Order: sequence, then structure tokens, then C-alpha cells
Amino acid sequence: QQPVQSPQAVILREGEDAVINCSSSKALYSVHWYRQKHGEAPVFLMILLKGGEQKGHDKISASFNEKKQQSSLYLTASQLSYSGTYFCGTRSGGTSYGKLTFGQGTILTVHP
Amino acid sequence: DTGVSQDPRHKITKRGQNVTFRCDPISEHNRLYWYRQTLGQGPEFLTYFQNEAQLEKSRLLSDRFSAERPKGSFSTLEIQRTEQGDSAMYLCASRPSDRNILSTDTQYFGPGTRLTVL
Repeated sequence: QQPVQSPQAVILREGEDAVINCSSSKALYSVHWYRQKHGEAPVFLMILLKGGEQKGHDKISASFNEKKQQSSLYLTASQLSYSGTYFCGTRSGGTSYGKLTFGQGTILTVHP
Repeated sequence: DTGVSQDPRHKITKRGQNVTFRCDPISEHNRLYWYRQTLGQGPEFLTYFQNEAQLEKSRLLSDRFSAERPKGSFSTLEIQRTEQGDSAMYLCASRPSDRNILSTDTQYFGPGTRLTVL
């Protein structure tokens, strides 16, 4: 079953912060975050394995609550280059071969 | 550039025609996935290869779709008798096989082939 992302869209001014949430009804093995710009391939941001780890990548970080099957992506001091659609991809425990199930995406727009 | 490459980037075809797409994964990645993405949606899994073996297929992959990965390197996805509902972006992703768990679980996507069926 597809994970649910919220919000569906976010509009920010440069320098503002945002949080994107991803929630699954299945037990998760890992959560993968990607950013996709229009007409381009999804670009890998980070992966979180079960265990509640929080990962960071410059001013983008994420957390994973294994018990709630939820992950959040935190974007701080947003830059114009952060604009795009953010997808979470989930891998469920026991799922064979590592296929990912993606949420519907969150459109992030950063204005000057 | 050593990323995943796909060819062609765009394909326009008429309903009923056959089309074939190619994916070249990152060198030495033995795991390869095909996904389909329609407008406003996230990618949906189609099929998975480990080396040359096709180990999993989605129910989305009707009998008009066939995928191959001869010799465990590049892969092709063929759609026969295309329908307008096949219009989508077809994405290929590859994944490494080394022992580092974080590396082995990460999928790297190619630029995709955008298919338009008229």
C-alpha cells in the first residue's frame, strides 16, 4: 500500500523551514527520500533504516520512527534549489528484492 | 558520467505500435529496477532483475510488457500494441551489490523515457 505524504504542497520564501511527512500502514525496513525536478530523474537524498536513526545532509535531515511507521524530512534555511517534488519511498520488512513503494509526492516551491 | 542512462529520452508513437526502451545501469550494479511514473504520481514498481534473472514482476506488468537483461548488463523494456494508457515516464534504477547495507539499499535513477501514445 502506498505511503501517504503530507502536506501535498508547500510554498516557502528563501530561508524558511519546512517539514514533509511520510506515513505507512506497513512495518517498514527502510525509508528513502528523493527530490525530483520537472522532467528530470528522482535524485537520491538519503536513506533511513529501521532503528529510529536521524540522518543529515547539509541543511536537509530526516528522522524515522519505526514504531509509528513514519518518517519526516526537515529542510532548514531553504534555498531556491530546494524547489521540486519530494517523494518518500518505503521498503517494507520482508519485501523481496528491495522494491520501493512511493508516496504521491510533496511539491515544494521556494520563492526569493 | 557514470550514472544510469536511458534511451530514448522521449518516444512518441501511435496506438498499436511496439516500442522498446533501453537502460544502462551504473557499472557493476547487479540489481536493476523498472518503474513507471504518471503525471502527479510517484514512481510505481514494474519489475526487478538481479544480474540476468528477472526475479519479480508487478501486476502492472501486463502480458504486453516484457523486460530482459541479457548478460546482466543493460536492460530493455518492450511494450507491444501500445495503448494510450501506457503514456508515462518509464524510469530505470540500479542498486549496488557490495556489503555496506546503506549502499546496497540505495537505488539510483536514470533520467527516464517519456512515452506518449497518440
